[in-house]
Amino acid sequence: QKEVEQDPGPLSVPEGAIVSLNCTYSNSAFQYFMWYRQYSRKGPELLMYTYSSGNKEDGRFTAQVDKSSKYISLFIRDSQPSDSATYLCAMSAETGGFKTIFGAGTRLFVKA
Amino acid sequence: GAVVSQHPSRVICKSGTSVKIECRSLDFQATTMFWYRQFPKQSLMLMATSNEGSKATYEQGVEKDKFLINHASLTLSTLTVTSAHPEDSSFYICSARDLRQGAWGYTFGSGTRLTVV
Repeated sequence: QKEVEQDPGPLSVPEGAIVSLNCTYSNSAFQYFMWYRQYSRKGPELLMYTYSSGNKEDGRFTAQVDKSSKYISLFIRDSQPSDSATYLCAMSAETGGFKTIFGAGTRLFVKA
Repeated sequence: GAVVSQHPSRVICKSGTSVKIECRSLDFQATTMFWYRQFPKQSLMLMATSNEGSKATYEQGVEKDKFLINHASLTLSTLTVTSAHPEDSSFYICSARDLRQGAWGYTFGSGTRLTVV
């Protein structure tokens, strides 16, 4: 079993839809949770980050962490074609020296 | 914000030759840098952790003699793929940690697409 599981998709939605991206994990020591966006042939860029459980909102993006279920989500409201990219969840723990473990990434296509 | 420059962005080399990839932190000092490999439609796989002034720490299954890492200064780490073969063709990405940003301070380079022919 992988430490971090993420459905690779692809996920195709119409413009304006609400997108839900999810990851599950097995290591209960993870404390730091991140979402990265990666455009084709580019390095990932940090989109959202949260510490421990809870929600965090930034514009059209909301990140949720449920540590009891070992489940994290990223919601994108009013999705735009420019949101088309691969979204990778990532997580780390201080006990692991902040070694970051990535999910496989979900490819998202937002159709105009 | 923190910027990491990776060069070259794309390289094609002949089988058996060596290729060097550079990763520079432009506006911060990075005592630790990370090298990842990414196959098409797959996630980032950590290859090694590069520590300034000391030997790199390689992940299980990564050949240290094939993927030479040098972190000679606080702003530069290099990855050399020695005696490259077609199976080494991949997307290589570096990441550097800006300690000023705490646990979130990981910035990625733009990646290097290596094609071995």
